[in-house]
Amino acid sequence: GNSVTQMEGPVTLSEEAFLTINCTYTATGYPSLFWYVQYPGEGLQLLLKATKADDKGSNKGFEATYRKETTSFHLEKGSVQVSDSAVYFCALSSGSARQLTFGSGTQLTVLP
Amino acid sequence: EAGVAQSPRYKIIEKRQSVAFWCNPISGHATLYWYQQILGQGPKLLIQFQNNGVVDDSQLPKDRFSAERLKGVDSTLKIQPAKLEDSAVYLCASSLVAPGQGFGTEAFFGQGTRLTVV
Repeated sequence: GNSVTQMEGPVTLSEEAFLTINCTYTATGYPSLFWYVQYPGEGLQLLLKATKADDKGSNKGFEATYRKETTSFHLEKGSVQVSDSAVYFCALSSGSARQLTFGSGTQLTVLP
Repeated sequence: EAGVAQSPRYKIIEKRQSVAFWCNPISGHATLYWYQQILGQGPKLLIQFQNNGVVDDSQLPKDRFSAERLKGVDSTLKIQPAKLEDSAVYLCASSLVAPGQGFGTEAFFGQGTRLTVV
């Protein structure tokens, strides 16, 4: 079956530090890949996505590249802000029914 | 555009009681998902509908959980009887995509219902 593995958290960084959150996946066929973010007190919302190999998704300074050879979709940001503090979920959509499967989430805290 | 609406936001019940959650998806969205998110874990799919038909309910504990989507719009998720381990946030999401279509179509999530079973 499909699965998503994220790096263990929590992650604590200082403002303007570089961020990487690792994500690898197992899926049948050719999944679409997503990063969702959950800010404190809010619902899950899409951060970025990629639908085929070598695609790069980007939004709000975050980037992730769909790497089919390593089955990875690592999230990066060059300079984090306090407002980026949230829980980040890697997810994939696969199969004829487009089942959406999530990783366990990574809590990010950015300190001023 | 209105988002996915869920109610109630919070619910506290005793074990062995029953509870129901309601979800109103974004208008026109064919696919509706119910997820269970236990504290510190990622969302786990319970059931997926396309219009009013079930696409996937392989992870739904059918001895105690049930869900329906009337007329392909609103949906309810019920737990009867509840157990302590059912304490979680129950998330509803909807997507424009129908199965077999729409690579990369986004799912939109509601705020969730936080259930505490005591």
